[in-house]
Amino acid sequence: NAGVTQTPKFRILKIGQSMTLQCTQDMNHNYMYWYRQDPGMGLKLIYYSVGAGITDKGEVPNGYNVSRSTTEDFPLRLELAAPSQTSVYFCASITTSGSGELFFGEGSRLTVL
Amino acid sequence: RKEVEQDPGPFNVPEGATVAFNCTYSNSASQSFFWYRQDCRKEPKLLMSVYSSGNEDGRFTAQLNRASQYISLLIRDSKLSDSATYLCVVSLIYNQGGKLIFGQGTELSVKP
Repeated sequence: NAGVTQTPKFRILKIGQSMTLQCTQDMNHNYMYWYRQDPGMGLKLIYYSVGAGITDKGEVPNGYNVSRSTTEDFPLRLELAAPSQTSVYFCASITTSGSGELFFGEGSRLTVL
Repeated sequence: RKEVEQDPGPFNVPEGATVAFNCTYSNSASQSFFWYRQDCRKEPKLLMSVYSSGNEDGRFTAQLNRASQYISLLIRDSKLSDSATYLCVVSLIYNQGGKLIFGQGTELSVKP
């Protein structure tokens, strides 16, 4: 199994540009998450989803949008990129039965100039 | 008040030392607690879950104090390979995800 796959791994954006970070999991997990991690800081929850068609805001949702049309995919959209969105973005998923362990993608490093 | 708050680091310890990290959480309804390890800004990996009665995994011991709303991680006989950032995670739902909140992390550096 591939687990959680994020693309792209690296991206440089100009201020005001838009982009989508893709996240796919092949473990049939119900819950999926998007976190951002700034240098020297912990992970901040942006959005999460408890299943297809259901999304909810996390701690820092402003400037982002998500959708969950299928169990597998949970894309994160940045509409008007700002330098404050320069960060490492992690997608993760979890199963509703089991240890409660989060499975992470390898991260997407985004720089906004 | 932050939802999840950890000891500020970094912790610099010699090999063989015992080191303890604390993490406090603000929501008394929190149900699930975890410690994750993160190396060099790679993706975090689960170190251990934290159970009400406390639990041990080799050199690592996790404790939960619901009355005071904190969890702790004790590492005995520190190894060079323990150098990493340790993140505590809190959830409102037992073992089923929900809103999983991370602390800011505590960096550990084990020196020879």
